[in-house]
Amino acid sequence: GEDVEQSLFLSVREGDSSVINCTYTDSSSTYLYWYKQEPGAGLQLLTYIFSNMDMKQDQRLTVLLNKKDKHLSLRIADTQTGDSAIYFCAGQGANAGKSTFGDGTTLTVKP
Amino acid sequence: DTGVSQNPRHKITKRGQNVTFRCDPISEHNRLYWYRQTLGQGPEFLTYFQNEAQLEKSRLLSDRFSAERPKGSFSTLEIQRTEQGDSAMYLCASSFWRGGDHNEQFFGPGTRLTVL
Repeated sequence: GEDVEQSLFLSVREGDSSVINCTYTDSSSTYLYWYKQEPGAGLQLLTYIFSNMDMKQDQRLTVLLNKKDKHLSLRIADTQTGDSAIYFCAGQGANAGKSTFGDGTTLTVKP
Repeated sequence: DTGVSQNPRHKITKRGQNVTFRCDPISEHNRLYWYRQTLGQGPEFLTYFQNEAQLEKSRLLSDRFSAERPKGSFSTLEIQRTEQGDSAMYLCASSFWRGGDHNEQFFGPGTRLTVL
């Protein structure tokens, strides 16, 4: 089955860029997703990337995919205190079945 | 549309009791997913439905767990003879799947279960 690994914590200063990394084992995941979870709230889909793409940019978010190394990253430009949350990467199974999530990276943004 | 709703939001029960949770998906979403999340971990897949058909169940879903989606709209997740290890946040998500591998799931706020 799929294993998805993330570093657990990241701390940055407001205005800096944040880079959250993820590695996955299942190369059959054709879509990879980034979710954000704030305290007491459900998961919110931030962005996703198709596996035949190397990069996707969406406003302050940039997703980079290195399919050879099975490495995915999420860059948040000009990080704000409101970006403080837990970020999960996830791989989608065939025919959009189950998603497999990493254990999340807690991002803390200091003023 | 008000998004995915889950009830109750919190449930405290004693070990050995049965509990049932409800999920109301976004209307017209044909897929509905259940996940379990424990502290410090990501959501773990439990099961999912397409309309009323249960298409996949995780090995995590022991015979004490049962999920239904009888009319292809809301779903219930029942846990019988609860154990302390069942304490977790139970998340529901729904999506409108049009075929293919991409599927944007919309998550509810979850039901937090505490088994004493």
